[in-house]
Amino acid sequence: DAGVIQSPRHEVTEMGQEVTLRCKPISGHNSLFWYRQTMMRGLELLIYFNNNVPIDDSGMPEDRFSAKMPNASFSTLKIQPSEPRDSAVYFCASSIGGADTEAFFGQGTRLTVV
Amino acid sequence: GENVEQHPSTLSVQEGDSAVIKCTYSDSASNYFPWYKQELGKGPQLIIDIRSNVGEKKDQRIAVTLNKTAKHFSLHITETQPEDSAVYFCAASRGNDYKLSFGAGTTVTVRA
Repeated sequence: DAGVIQSPRHEVTEMGQEVTLRCKPISGHNSLFWYRQTMMRGLELLIYFNNNVPIDDSGMPEDRFSAKMPNASFSTLKIQPSEPRDSAVYFCASSIGGADTEAFFGQGTRLTVV
Repeated sequence: GENVEQHPSTLSVQEGDSAVIKCTYSDSASNYFPWYKQELGKGPQLIIDIRSNVGEKKDQRIAVTLNKTAKHFSLHITETQPEDSAVYFCAASRGNDYKLSFGAGTTVTVRA
């Protein structure tokens, strides 16, 4: 398996634009996590899906952020409209079980909003 | 919610020496404690984990200890090598349906 695949690797966008980040989890994994990493706040869980259903979205910062998992092999994280403070590295991770099993992280998407 | 504190934030060691990173957690119901290593430009990768029914676990040069009474756990790396240079994160979770809370990370530099 190629591991968790995220796209794009880098995204530069202007403030106010819509941004969509994509993730393909490892086949057979039941859980998918979206994290945001910044110097100030470290690694923050944004949302957690289990069997394609959102279980915990309490980390989604505000209504500008939304996430979907239409099937077991694909998830998106959308920011609309984007703001400079959204600049961060966004990671997708998947695991066979829940938060108490090994999470496999993708390479991340570095988002810069100017 | 769970609050995980990690110390130190940076650690510089001579090659061959040991490195120790310490974490404390706030939720006494937490029962899963993994450690992740993040190299530059990559996502975090699990290096070792421990569950609350175990006090210590070792894997080659890496060991983790857990003190549930004091609510702290530590990562020990012995005989450090240049490839151990990375950012290390501790984390804690109450279990399957609860989120994993990460510490702020420790940047480890191994000097040759």
